[in-house]
Parts: sequence; C-alpha cells; structure tokens
Amino acid sequence: GQQLNQSPQSMFIQEGEDVSMNCTSSSIFNTWLWYKQDPGEGPVLLIALYKAGELTSNGRLTAQFGITRKDSFLNISASIPSDVGIYFCAGPPKQGGADGLTFGKGTHLIIQP
Amino acid sequence: DAGITQSPRHKVTETGTPVTLRCHQTENHRYMYWYRQDPGHGLRLIHYSYGVKDTDKGEVSDGYSVSRSKTEDFLLTLESATSSQTSVYFCAISDLKNIQYFGAGTRLSVL
Repeated sequence: GQQLNQSPQSMFIQEGEDVSMNCTSSSIFNTWLWYKQDPGEGPVLLIALYKAGELTSNGRLTAQFGITRKDSFLNISASIPSDVGIYFCAGPPKQGGADGLTFGKGTHLIIQP
Repeated sequence: DAGITQSPRHKVTETGTPVTLRCHQTENHRYMYWYRQDPGHGLRLIHYSYGVKDTDKGEVSDGYSVSRSKTEDFLLTLESATSSQTSVYFCAISDLKNIQYFGAGTRLSVL
C-alpha cells in the first residue's frame, strides 16, 4: 500500500525554537492532514489541507500542501512545553474514498527546558 | 474526543479468549474506523464501516471482525486473542470530508 515518510523521526529542541517537519509520499494525495497525539490519548486534528500550494495556519502552527501533491510541511513557531507530543501526517489514499487514512510513523517532538 | 467513547479503556486478557471492543459516537457520522497503533508502525487500519451493516477490511484485518448494527456503535471483535494483538486500538469517525476524529483509545494486553 501507499506509505507516508515523515522526517525527522525525533526532534530535541529548546523552548522558544521554531520547528519544521515534513511528510513525503511516492504517490499523489488530494488531502493532507496533520494530527498531534499526546501520551495516552488519541490523535487530534491540527490542520487540514485540500489544495496544492495551500498554506494554512492554526495559531503558531502553519502547514503547507506541496505543489507536487506528494509532500506536506508543518511548522511550529516559538515552541512551548505543551507542544511536546507525536505529530502525524495523514491522507486518504483514494480520491473521494472514505476507506481509511494512511498515516506516517510520526515525528516525536521533545522540548528541553 | 468529538463525541466518541471507547470501552473498555484498558483490558488484560489471556491468549485464546474472545475480546470485544466498543466504539460509540454521538455525532451521527456515517463512517467509522478501527485502527491499531504499535511502536514503529504508526496507525494501521483494521476495518471500517460506511453505514449500518456495511463494513470492509483494512490493511491489517486478519484475526479481527467487526459489526455495525446501529449508526452510533461499531464493535471490534478478536475471536481468539493472540499476543500479537497486544496493542492500542483507536476508533475514528468521519464526515464527508475524509477528516477523521479519534477516540481516546483502548489499551489491550494479551498474555
């Protein structure tokens, strides 16, 4: 099946730093989703992207839908302790289908005091 | 958790026993999903439903069955649990835009 490759796998940063992570696919996606998961909880949707080139913000988070439709980027500005968690990219593998999402393996964000 | 309740939240069981996990939603969404989450694998789709009594297999469906007799409930059954099914199980629901909302998860240990 289709795979989403997320990088980096882990990030160790200092509070206040900006964060960048990305997700790539070998095939085209028509929707890109970014989720965050806190320990012991389910993933929570952060941002949804629907058009190639789209840039969308949610507070300190900004995500972009790559022009090639095979990648997406998530940036977090001025990180704070509550940003710690696992960030997943995801997308529906089939256009218009509701038969599940393909997920990347996640980027672990760790903030050092 | 977008009106999604998973039960139980934690369960320990023995190899060979049947186990049923329940997902209940109050959003009246048509689509419901079961995923499992394992270290190094991320979230993988087990089964999904696109309506009452309409279900289909996902990427890792072997050893699992599902049922949906009402819009609000989606059950995941392990007919005979194995140690490889030790995992965290998440239910998700979806509206027409493919955006999925997740429950809090069920942590299952098969000894």
